[in-house]
Amino acid sequence: DTAVSQTPKYLVTQMGNDKSIKCEQNLGHDTMYWYKQDSKKFLKIMFSYNNKELIINETVPNRFSPKSPDKAHLNLHINSLELGDSAVYFCASSQGGQGTGANVLTFGAGSRLTVL
Amino acid sequence: GQNIDQPTEMTATEGAIVQINCTYQTSGFNGLFWYQQHAGEAPTFLSYNVLDGLEEKGRFSSFLSRSKGYSYLLLKELQMKDSASYLCAVVDSNYQLIWGAGTKLIIKP
Repeated sequence: DTAVSQTPKYLVTQMGNDKSIKCEQNLGHDTMYWYKQDSKKFLKIMFSYNNKELIINETVPNRFSPKSPDKAHLNLHINSLELGDSAVYFCASSQGGQGTGANVLTFGAGSRLTVL
Repeated sequence: GQNIDQPTEMTATEGAIVQINCTYQTSGFNGLFWYQQHAGEAPTFLSYNVLDGLEEKGRFSSFLSRSKGYSYLLLKELQMKDSASYLCAVVDSNYQLIWGAGTKLIIKP
């Protein structure tokens, strides 16, 4: 069974479109995250939700809107896509908040978004 | 600002030993993680250090010196499947994870 699953794995779209990426975890974790990994391979946190409540909202454009219907799901909706949004987006989960003690992040396989 | 430095790329030979260094300058310290990321895949957890010293786990070991702001990941008996990027991440005083850009390790036969 896949622990953290995200769909789609690949997404190619035109500038200006709106798209969503879905994420689900079956680990019973309390906290879920969205990360962006750019071409330079830096992982940057975008959002973190704990039990459906937003706890981290880094400086990302408000075109990005996360939604957590329950603690096992965290979806990412992106409006008015721009060329610079092209990246790999990783969903992740952990038992506690990120970085607390030895809480390990379990990542999904990533969603590669290409904006043309 | 906060900074994590790792070499961009390293090359080693199958069966050999390689050490991947990570130096950090962060606002506070609450632990350091190493993750492995194969090309096109998700990062996976390798090790966690919060106290000084060496943590050994099979062929992989991780070392931490908090006074020097320094860690290394030691890989022994290298195998071709160890070809991957190795990411260092530090937990700062706000319990936020600060990530390095990763070190791409190339293993040659």
